[in-house]
Amino acid sequence: EVQLLESGGGSVQPGGSQRLSCAASGFSFSRYAMSWVRQAPGKGLEWVSAIFGDGGSTYYADSVKGRFTISRDNSKNTLYLQMNSLRAEDTAVYYCAKRAGGGYMDVWGKGTTVTVSS
Amino acid sequence: DIQMTQSPSSLSASVGDRVTITCRASQGISNYLTWFQQKPGKAPKSLIYAASSLQSGVPSKFSGSGSGTDFTLTISSLQPEDFATYYCQQYNSYPWTFGQGTKVEIK
Repeated sequence: EVQLLESGGGSVQPGGSQRLSCAASGFSFSRYAMSWVRQAPGKGLEWVSAIFGDGGSTYYADSVKGRFTISRDNSKNTLYLQMNSLRAEDTAVYYCAKRAGGGYMDVWGKGTTVTVSS
Repeated sequence: DIQMTQSPSSLSASVGDRVTITCRASQGISNYLTWFQQKPGKAPKSLIYAASSLQSGVPSKFSGSGSGTDFTLTISSLQPEDFATYYCQQYNSYPWTFGQGTKVEIK
């Protein structure tokens, strides 16, 4: 069974940093692109970042470009999101999602909550 | 960036009703359109990909159509478990973008 499990969420002060992890199982992790998507409290879904299977290409939403870095360790079947210079508006549930061969996101984790507040 | 606009933002319907949600892209995205269902406190669940292909395990009461800029999601006979928020999302080009969501509530 394909599974994604996020971790690393918590409370952080504005300007601080946090690293999220997403542990993958049940599929050949290195063959698939992965994404992070977030959802602020009571709001809709916002795509954050994506990375190709070999880690060679990365993409970011303008709202996080220059502050967040997506990476992966294929030897550990783990996806990461390093978040720096955090702002109150980064408060959200962060989901990792697997990209299917056809390009769309087919499997999602349960999410991890990040709260940015003083 | 490609803007995705869903309508309506919310709707009230009864069990057994046929429900249609529309999604419009600000520019052509071919059929690179997917639909998700999200229930409160849960992760989104993939329903439809490539505009009209049913994700494995999703009941056939869900169907999608469209190409280019205009898309629809139809639920043929609404059941209690279908009350949720539905999102469209384009994966034609980065940055990927979502519609604002359509909340389907019980009438």
